[in-house]
Amino acid sequence: GQNIDQPTEMTATEGAIVQINCTYQTSGFNGLFWYQQHAGEAPTFLSYNVLDGLEEKGRFSSFLSRSKGYSYLLLKELQMKDSASYLCAVPFSGGYNKLIFGAGTRLAVHP
Amino acid sequence: SQTIHQWPATLVQPVGSPLSLECTVEGTSNPNLYWYRQAAGRGLQLLFYSVGIGQISSEVPQNLSASRPQDRQFILSSKKLLLSDSGFYLCAWDGSTSGGYTFGSGTRLTVV
Repeated sequence: GQNIDQPTEMTATEGAIVQINCTYQTSGFNGLFWYQQHAGEAPTFLSYNVLDGLEEKGRFSSFLSRSKGYSYLLLKELQMKDSASYLCAVPFSGGYNKLIFGAGTRLAVHP
Repeated sequence: SQTIHQWPATLVQPVGSPLSLECTVEGTSNPNLYWYRQAAGRGLQLLFYSVGIGQISSEVPQNLSASRPQDRQFILSSKKLLLSDSGFYLCAWDGSTSGGYTFGSGTRLTVV
């Protein structure tokens, strides 16, 4: 079957760096997505990794290790507006477009 | 540019009442469309997806149904709501150039 695990909650200080981990199990791999979801709002796309390594996009970076079934989202120079849930998602096996989401990691950034 | 619209934004419905949530996409044709539900404090659960008019696939057995009457319209319905149907309903389209989904703004449904 398919399964995604993420920590439920994390806290961090403004200006700091935080790493949000995601482990997944899937019978066929077609990439891994990260989404940001502010409270009461729809998720918005952050990143997509299909190859191993680190993809950097401004203050946010995403890492993937396919052999370990592991990804992380790295947020640098944290700002208060980064307080949100971060969702890890992978496509259902056999179907590129259907995504299975982790329960999300709720990040609270404190001054 | 492509946009996805979803309404209403919030809804409070009594148990046993019907439900109809609508999602439309603009600026593209023959989109793949999805309905997800997010229960309080939980992850997104795929309910239905559609690859074209009249083509609906259900991912989990439930009290809900979906229809695709037009190319860019996707409707989520129920004949009789249950308390357990409460949640945040999201329509999504998978055609964004950045990859993954573009979500509608969501409907917060509370069944009382």
